[in-house]
Amino acid sequence: DIVMTQSPDSLAVSLGERATINCKSSQSVLYSSNNKNYLAWYQQKPGQPPKLLIYWASTRESGVPDRFSGSGSGTDFTLTISSLQAEDVAVYYCQQYYNTRTFGQGTKVEVK
Amino acid sequence: QVQLQESGPGLVKPSGTLSLTCAVSGGSISSTNWWTWVRQPPGKGLEWIGEIWHSGSTNYNPSLKSRVTISVDKSKNQFSLKLSSVTAADTAVYYCARDTDVSGAFAYWGQGTLVTVSS
Repeated sequence: DIVMTQSPDSLAVSLGERATINCKSSQSVLYSSNNKNYLAWYQQKPGQPPKLLIYWASTRESGVPDRFSGSGSGTDFTLTISSLQAEDVAVYYCQQYYNTRTFGQGTKVEVK
Repeated sequence: QVQLQESGPGLVKPSGTLSLTCAVSGGSISSTNWWTWVRQPPGKGLEWIGEIWHSGSTNYNPSLKSRVTISVDKSKNQFSLKLSSVTAADTAVYYCARDTDVSGAFAYWGQGTLVTVSS
């Protein structure tokens, strides 16, 4: 199994400031034949299903604001919210789809 | 727009079998996508349970594999989950989901259904 580990477990950021969430996989999720990282990011608000933000590690899903960006390759990835808005308060999950599927434990983002 | 809707009993007795169905609308269960079950215990994170292709090919979470069966019903455009020998640890919100057309990420989700295991 590929284990996904996120850090930190929670963070508090002032409105308008940058939020950075890290995700590390126990083995590479980069598929050499197509040079794609099989890594996605989701946002989940209370009482709602997760919402896909990013796939292929850095491709923004349609309709997702451009303040959300993904980066990284191999085993180390980052989700950045460039300017935190009140509506971004949520739990964020990374997920690998290189070998079946596994999620990280989640990172709770709050307003400081 | 693809829509997914979970249905099934909200209460299951310990040692019993949890059975849920996901109805698909706005798209065909025979499309080239994986149809997936994910669960989330109250206050905890997401756990992938397993997935099925329209042909019937399946992949399961190794930690649940011995108790899980996912099946597809093309005539009803739906897929189902059975989880046997349940305990209180299986209490969770169960979601069905579908991947995107270009990746294995889940773009479409049902609203989720809470299943409680209790006598």
